Amino acid sequence: GAGVSQSPSNKVTEKGKDVELRCDPISGHTALYWYRQRLGQGLEFLIYFQGNSAPDKSGLPSDRFSAERTGESVSTLTIQRTQQEDSAVYLCASAVGQGGYGYTFGSGTRLTVV
Amino acid sequence: TQLLEQSPQFLSIQEGENLTVYCNSSSVFSSLQWYRQEPGEGPVLLVTVVTGGEVKKLKRLTFQFGDARKDSSLHITAAQPGDTGLYLCAGGYNDYKLSFGAGTTVTVRA
Repeated sequence: GAGVSQSPSNKVTEKGKDVELRCDPISGHTALYWYRQRLGQGLEFLIYFQGNSAPDKSGLPSDRFSAERTGESVSTLTIQRTQQEDSAVYLCASAVGQGGYGYTFGSGTRLTVV
Repeated sequence: TQLLEQSPQFLSIQEGENLTVYCNSSSVFSSLQWYRQEPGEGPVLLVTVVTGGEVKKLKRLTFQFGDARKDSSLHITAAQPGDTGLYLCAGGYNDYKLSFGAGTTVTVRA
């Protein structure tokens, strides 16, 4: 596609429910990132995928968070048993190569846990 | 995690004025990127600088990377309302990870 597509754009969920967020990267971009953005804070790295290599999961805040990506295609970020502190904008980005020269971000999913 | 501090946190100026946003760290970065983010959208890459002392110009925007590759600045000349947004700096500290600052919210009043 022309850009990075994320869905849904907004999600309101009850505390304790599971949510799944989706990211469609730019075709041909081998690198895919998930970041979390809380109000007034910088983007927080969550996970990095590069082709078929093992992902860098070092930024996932707890075992309630998981992400998958098949090859160089769609990625899903799953949050189990959501908590209010999970409320944030979740941003996906893709990049050519290793992304050292810049990412292309999607518009994000705004998650609100009530 | 390498920390990047941006200043000021908020900046409100009149159309036509100049502004500068700063990004500082105690860490050395392999590259420094600047993004602009508008409400409801993801950050959009403005520029990447990789060489200490490098200066890049993009129309009315001038970006500078410090000699020691620990700091950067963004200068906007004759700001316009369309420059309004959240400006984020991001430092590359390995082959693929970026550390982001908290951002500077710029408002340009018509």
